[in-house]
Amino acid sequence: EVQLLDSGGGLIQPGESLRLSCAASGFIFNNFAMNWVRQAPGKGLEWVSSLSGSGANTDYADSVKGRFTISRDNSKNTLSLQMNSLRAEDTAVYYCAKGTQWLRGGAFDYWGQGTLVTVSS
Amino acid sequence: EIVLTQSPATLSLSPGERATLSCRASQSVRNFLAWYQQKPGQAPRLLIYDASNRATGIPPRFSGSGSGTDFTLTISSLEPEDFAVYYCQQRGTWPPTFGQGTKLEIK
Repeated sequence: EVQLLDSGGGLIQPGESLRLSCAASGFIFNNFAMNWVRQAPGKGLEWVSSLSGSGANTDYADSVKGRFTISRDNSKNTLSLQMNSLRAEDTAVYYCAKGTQWLRGGAFDYWGQGTLVTVSS
Repeated sequence: EIVLTQSPATLSLSPGERATLSCRASQSVRNFLAWYQQKPGQAPRLLIYDASNRATGIPPRFSGSGSGTDFTLTISSLEPEDFAVYYCQQRGTWPPTFGQGTKLEIK
């Protein structure tokens, strides 16, 4: 059974940093791209970042480019999102989501339960 | 980036009725469109990928159709657990984008 467990969210002040993690199990982790998708309170879904199965190819939404860094440890089946220079508009539930293929561009077939990031002074 | 417009914003129906949800893309996404269901407090769940393929474990009352710019999600006979928000998402052109959602509510 595929399982994704998101963690690391919390209340943080503008300009500070936070690191999210996603522990994966139930599938061959390095065979699939992994993604982060966020949802602001009461709003829709927004793709944030993708990482290929090997970790060599990364992509970011314009809204987070230069501030967020996605990474993975295929030996530990974990995905991370380092978020720097956080802004109030980054407040959202962050979901890790498994891709349906090795490279970016697949659908998102399994999702973590989400972790809430609140950026506020 | 491609804009996905979902309609209607809210759909009020009764259990047993047929639901038809629409998703229109600002330019062609070929057949690279997915549908997700999200219930309050839960993560989204993949229902349909590549326009018409049901994801693992999705019951046959859910079906998808369309290509290019116009897509439809049909629920043939609504069950009580189907009342939720539905999102479409395209992967035909980078970056992936989502529609704003259709809320399916009990009439």
